[in-house]
Amino acid sequence: DVKVTQSSRYLVKRTGEKVFLECVQDMDHENMFWYRQDPGLGLRLIYFSYDVKMKEKGDIPEGYSVSREKKERFSLILESASTNQTSMYLCASSYWGTRQSSYEQYFGPGTRLTVT
Amino acid sequence: KNEVEQSPQNLTAQEGEFITINCSYSVGISALHWLQQHPGGGIVSLFMLSSGKKKHGRLIATINIQEKHSSLHITASHPRDSAVYICAAQETSGSRLTFGEGTQLTVNP
Repeated sequence: DVKVTQSSRYLVKRTGEKVFLECVQDMDHENMFWYRQDPGLGLRLIYFSYDVKMKEKGDIPEGYSVSREKKERFSLILESASTNQTSMYLCASSYWGTRQSSYEQYFGPGTRLTVT
Repeated sequence: KNEVEQSPQNLTAQEGEFITINCSYSVGISALHWLQQHPGGGIVSLFMLSSGKKKHGRLIATINIQEKHSSLHITASHPRDSAVYICAAQETSGSRLTFGEGTQLTVNP
């Protein structure tokens, strides 16, 4: 069974703090993704990575950065947390997909982050 | 950018009813994904399809590429089917997904 784990289920941070969210997958997937999920907005892509040290901005990268030093690990960093970053953060991983092949994404359990 | 529209947003059914959730997308895709999210947040992939129809137990997913439309059907619904169902379109150029807002399904006993 594919397993995607996230470092915390719940996290409370103060405005201005630096926040690290970590995601680890055990299936040797090339792709890893960070999403945030908000009521009425659905899942939105923050960043994704298709290889070690490679990253691409998603739809809402502002206020976030990422790091992928090892294939199995993808970190999301909030340099200076703000209240509008209070959300559910979900990590996912998949094999590389092309026009000829598509692969499902496997999701972690999510981290509910509250910034006060 | 691919837009993905789901309907209905909320759906309440009685146990045993046949349920349909619809998904429309705006541009070409390589695959259409259906996902399920239970309370507590965990998301699991139900189906990934690029043509025709797939069935798993009481769940059936269909896609019409020409009409850019997909449906998820649940036969003989059960309270444990209560969850948010999300469709997502996979872009033709790679692995990125664009998600619909989700359909909250509640099945009452």
